[in-house]
Amino acid sequence: SQKIEQNSEALNIQEGKTATLTCNYTNYSPAYLQWYRQDPGRGPVFLLLIRENEKEKRKERLKVTFDTTLKQSLFHITASQPADSATYLCALGDYGQNFVFGPGTRLSVLP
Amino acid sequence: DGGITQSPKYLFRKEGQNVTLSCEQNLNHDAMYWYRQDPGQGLRLIYYSQIVNDFQKGDIAEGYSVSREKKESFPLTVTSAQKNPTAFYLCASSDKGAQGWGSGYTFGSGTRLTVV
Repeated sequence: SQKIEQNSEALNIQEGKTATLTCNYTNYSPAYLQWYRQDPGRGPVFLLLIRENEKEKRKERLKVTFDTTLKQSLFHITASQPADSATYLCALGDYGQNFVFGPGTRLSVLP
Repeated sequence: DGGITQSPKYLFRKEGQNVTLSCEQNLNHDAMYWYRQDPGQGLRLIYYSQIVNDFQKGDIAEGYSVSREKKESFPLTVTSAQKNPTAFYLCASSDKGAQGWGSGYTFGSGTRLTVV
C-alpha cells in the first residue's frame, strides 16, 4: 500500500536559517504533490503544488523540489522566521485520484 | 469572503449517540471531502463527493455517513457504530474534483469531537 513519510516529527531551527523538510513515499507514482501549512487547532492551508514533470517550484521564500526517481520532495523555507513555526504536510495525488496526506513535520523557528 | 465553515468547533458525544458535523462552502466548488486527523497520523479520508447527490467511501468510512443534497453543504454524521470517534474532523473542498488542481484543497477550521 502507499506510504508517505515526512523526515521527522519535529524540527527546530534558528531564525534566519533555511528550514528543509522532507517528504518520502513508497509504492506510489504520484502525478502531483502539494504542501500545506497547519497551525494548532486549525485546518491546513494550501501552499504549493508541483507536478511530476516539474523539478522545482518557488513562491516567495518557499521552494519545493520533486524527484520522482528518489520518490522524494524537499520543502525549503529560506530566511525562516518564528512566524513560520507550524506543522507542514505533504500530500500526493494522481490523475483522477484523491490526495493522500503525510503525517506532517512540526517546525519550530527559534528567535 | 469565500471559504468553508465548519460547526460546531467543539462537540461532545455520549456513548451510543449519533452526532452531525456541519460543513458549508461558498466557493462554488464541486468536490467536498471529510478527513479525520489523529495525533501523529496523516489526514485520513472518510467520505468524498464530486457532485450533488453522489458520494463515495474513503479509507475509513465505517461508522460514518454523509449526504450531499446541495452543492454548498456536506454534513457528516458520526454514528454509534464508530467505536473510537474522538478526533479532529476536517472538511475540505476543491474545484477540480479529486485532482485538487493548482489551488489545492480549501479546508475548514475543523471540529474537535470528544466522547464523554
